[in-house]
Amino acid sequence: GAGVSQSPSNKVTEKGKDVELRCDPISGHTALYWYRQRLGQGLEFLIYFQGNSAPDKSGLPSDRFSAERTGESVSTLTIQRTQQEDSAVYLCASSLVQGAGQPQHFGDGTRLSIL
Amino acid sequence: DAKTTQPPSMDCAEGRAANLPCNHSTISGNEYVYWYRQIHSQGPQYIIHGLKNNETNEMASLIITEDRKSSTLILPHATLRDTAVYYCIVRAGFQKLVFGQGTRLTINP
Repeated sequence: GAGVSQSPSNKVTEKGKDVELRCDPISGHTALYWYRQRLGQGLEFLIYFQGNSAPDKSGLPSDRFSAERTGESVSTLTIQRTQQEDSAVYLCASSLVQGAGQPQHFGDGTRLSIL
Repeated sequence: DAKTTQPPSMDCAEGRAANLPCNHSTISGNEYVYWYRQIHSQGPQYIIHGLKNNETNEMASLIITEDRKSSTLILPHATLRDTAVYYCIVRAGFQKLVFGQGTRLTINP
């Protein structure tokens, strides 16, 4: 597809379970970002990947959160031992190259609900 | 990243031009102005961005004042599908976008 693709679109799970969210960036985009958006709130930066450089993990809220990206392709965000406060929409974005003049393009997110 | 100020809400009649203002009085010389919008249940959609000059694309026009302390996003012929929250963001860094509260634009039939 032409845009950023995220899966699943919705995920409902019980507290304490692990979840894995997937992001397929736009082909050729070297930069990939994960954000979180709680209900009625703005976007919260989580992590950023640029090519083969070490990722910027400064936004990850706890060590239960981790993310991986293989080369310039798919990324997965993993949340271990989920808590109710993890309920949110998790958004992935990609951009052509690193830099202030390159727009980030977003997927429609994964809506995560922790029971 | 510099902060931006936007009105919390605006209304516009369908078919008319929607003009959304944004103040960014502390913008730095290397910071771009970006506009995104978010329609309920969807991810943010990139609209347009600029540094100094006015910009136009198939979605909108961006007018940046000469001192770069404010800008206006113009949707030339608003439709009901343009109802969304519009975010003005200034960014120089290579990493995260910082979204404020935005302007909730309602297009009325």
